[in-house]
Parts: sequence; C-alpha cells; structure tokens
Amino acid sequence: DIQMTQSPSSLSASVGDRVTITCQASQDISNYLNWYQQKPGKAPKLLIYDASNLETGVPSRFSGSGSGTDFTFTISSLQPEDIATYYCQQYDNLPLFGGGTKVEIK
Amino acid sequence: EVQLVESGGGLVQPGRSLRLSCAASGFTFDDYAMHWVRQAPGKGLEWVSGISWNSGSIGYADSVKGRFTISRDNAKNSLYLQMNSLRAEDTALYYCAKDLVATHWRAFDIWGQGTMVTVSS
Repeated sequence: DIQMTQSPSSLSASVGDRVTITCQASQDISNYLNWYQQKPGKAPKLLIYDASNLETGVPSRFSGSGSGTDFTFTISSLQPEDIATYYCQQYDNLPLFGGGTKVEIK
Repeated sequence: EVQLVESGGGLVQPGRSLRLSCAASGFTFDDYAMHWVRQAPGKGLEWVSGISWNSGSIGYADSVKGRFTISRDNAKNSLYLQMNSLRAEDTALYYCAKDLVATHWRAFDIWGQGTMVTVSS
C-alpha cells in the first residue's frame, strides 16, 4: 500500500513569509497528487490538482510542484486568511490523504 | 448553485447500522464520480469510499471494507453510504464529495458540510 508522509505537522510563520509543505509518497505516483485547505469548522477546499494545477478561483500565491515521490506545496506570501490545515492527497490507487500541516501566524 | 447536502447522521450503538444520504444539486450528477470522506474529532481526513458515475467502479478503504456499502441513484441525484457493524472508531464527521472526473478517482472539488456519526453505547 502507498504511504504518504506530510511534513511538517505544524508550522508558525509571519505574514508575508514564504511557506513550504512537503509530501512524500512511498512509491512513484507520477503527478497524481492534490492539495487541500481546511479552515476550522469548514469543509476542505481543493487548491491544487495533478500536483501543479491551480483550481479555478484560488489565489496565485498558492502553488504546487513535484512528481514521482516528492511534492511541494508553497504559499509565496502568507496572508492572515491562510490560517488553516493543509492536506496532500494521492490518487494513484485508492485515494489517500497525508496527515496534514497546521499553519499558524507567528 | 452547486451544492451537496448530507443527512442521516446521529448517535448509534456499536454493532448497529446507519444509512447516510447526500443530495446533489447545481451540476449534472451522473457526469461525476462521488465519494465519502470522514474526519474523526480533532483528526485528519480519511477517504472512506468512492463510486464511479455509473456504479461500475467502487472502492473502499480497508478500515470499512465488508461493513460499508456505497451506492448512488442518478435519477434522484443522490449518494448513499450504508454503514453496518459500526464501531467506536467510525465516529466522525462524514463528508460527501464530488470528483473532477466520471470514471476513476482524481480530486474532490465540491464538498458538503458533513453529517456527524457518533458510535457509542
């Protein structure tokens, strides 16, 4: 079975900082990787699909990259409204989410 | 407006059954695969089950295989999850989610607000 390792599990950064989250698959999953944002008490929201494609309406400060086993999600300039937990999700086989990264403002 | 509305959650004793429903509106339901994703209190997201547009492909997480059954009624724009032999570890908020594609699993672009299932004696 594929395992997804997401890191860090939490981070604290200042407004305007560049934030990077990584997700590592236990085997090659090509570009079958998505990223979601979940704000407290809300349903998740799709931000990035197929590793690097920005979902319609999502601000351009969010981006994704990678292929194979190593993937990166970046917020180029952290905004107060970006406080949330972010999840990666692979779909090479049955869908599987990473453990999540909680992003807080320093 | 594109919308998914879940219902059917509640408090149930271990070993009992529950059926969740998800009513879809604002898009052509039978053009897309659909999924159930759950989130235990204070925990991360867990994919539970998915079904292709015509019910030809169905998948389950190992944690629910043999106990849960996903189904859909395209005439009623509805998705269902029959949950049998419920356990305490099934306690979670259950989300209904729409896929980007019809025939396999890709990404979940529309989510409902969830329905809470609590398994406890």
